Amino acid sequence: GEDVEQSLFLSVREGDSSVINCTYTDSSSTYLYWYKQEPGAGLQLLTYIFSNMDMKQDQRLTVLLNKKDKHLSLRIADTQTGDSAIYFCAESKDNQGGKLIFGQGTELSVKP
Amino acid sequence: ETGVTQTPRHLVMGMTNKKSLKCEQHLGHNAMYWYKQSAKKPLELMFVYNFKEQTENNSVPSRFSPECPNSSHLFLHLHTLQPEDSALYLCASSQDLTGQFNYGYTFGSGTRLTVV
Repeated sequence: GEDVEQSLFLSVREGDSSVINCTYTDSSSTYLYWYKQEPGAGLQLLTYIFSNMDMKQDQRLTVLLNKKDKHLSLRIADTQTGDSAIYFCAESKDNQGGKLIFGQGTELSVKP
Repeated sequence: ETGVTQTPRHLVMGMTNKKSLKCEQHLGHNAMYWYKQSAKKPLELMFVYNFKEQTENNSVPSRFSPECPNSSHLFLHLHTLQPEDSALYLCASSQDLTGQFNYGYTFGSGTRLTVV
């Protein structure tokens, strides 16, 4: 299967950490991505992780991959109001060139 | 601007109209994509073009007709649409069909389409 699933909403307070979760069904996924979509804009690539990695850190962003459970998470440290957006998880596979499979997106709301 | 430009940003059309969406990129990418984004649903891949050739049509109704005259331009021609076709239509590009693995896609800001 090609399903990628995310919870639809997450609300946090400014300064807290946010954790956005994603599950996928296809164990042959090669790369997994996190995209951010701000209101009125297209999707912007935040970060990606190769399937042979467990963790990737980039400033306030930490990506964790649990291949056994097919679970991907994005942790945003010290969440700011500017982080309010929709976050999409996506996967791609070597044998399906040109095709990213996206989840439904998680709407992150950061309250002051 | 992200490097992928979509026009118009907003479009309202009647069910009997014919209109076109335009996507342009000058990133030197060879692969271009159309996605449909509806609220609370996963992004739906519609069409994939690589070096101007269509490589994927994801069972899209014939009232949507893509055109890719060169690697920098992609169009989506619309005719006799239905209200349920109202959505945000996103264009994306990548180096080629393998370039996504390192850099992902570059998306445009989308065209918000409303069919009345």
